[in-house]
Amino acid sequence: KAGVTQTPRYLIKTRGQQVTLSCSPISGHRSVSWYQQTPGQGLQFLFEYFSETQRNKGNFPGRFSGRQFSNSRSEMNVSTLELGDSALYLCASSWEGQLNTEAFFGQGTRLTVV
Amino acid sequence: DQQVKQNSPSLSVQEGRISILNCDYTNSMFDYFLWYKKYPAEGPTFLISISSIKDKNEDGRFTVFLNKSAKHLSLHIVPSQPGDSAVYFCAASVPNSGNTPLVFGKGTRLSVIA
Repeated sequence: KAGVTQTPRYLIKTRGQQVTLSCSPISGHRSVSWYQQTPGQGLQFLFEYFSETQRNKGNFPGRFSGRQFSNSRSEMNVSTLELGDSALYLCASSWEGQLNTEAFFGQGTRLTVV
Repeated sequence: DQQVKQNSPSLSVQEGRISILNCDYTNSMFDYFLWYKKYPAEGPTFLISISSIKDKNEDGRFTVFLNKSAKHLSLHIVPSQPGDSAVYFCAASVPNSGNTPLVFGKGTRLSVIA
């Protein structure tokens, strides 16, 4: 069974640009969550999608957005990039069949804003 | 407002000895707790979890203890091995109508010295 796949693995963008990251969950998983990891800040929750609907949202500005497709693949978009957006962006998928299942993470996309 | 706190950013332990990683939480609604392990350039990997109805869960060399009255949990690794060197994240979730986002601590970097 393939794991969670995130593309691209690395990305360098300039301030003011926008970026789109992609996440393919484990087959059969319908929930996809996105997290931002920065040094010293741990993993901060961005948003969660389930069945193409945003179900939960973290405390991030509107520049951060996402969507989920009918095959459960998800994308997140960051517009008007700022230097502080440089981080590792992690996607996690889980099976919606019971509460509190563990989430399975992809390897992440390392975004550098210059 | 950090709801899940890992107050030790780093920990060094000799190979063969016990590693104890600590985690405190403030939200009494959390009812499920997880530990993740993260190597550099990889996504976090689920390690072990515990439900609030238990006070201990064991899986091989890994044991998680939960003290609800103190809002404290700990991960014990016995015996510690060099391959255990990684960043360990504590996470917690709140019950909801569906799957809920995990709230992570900032992580503790464990170094096991041979």
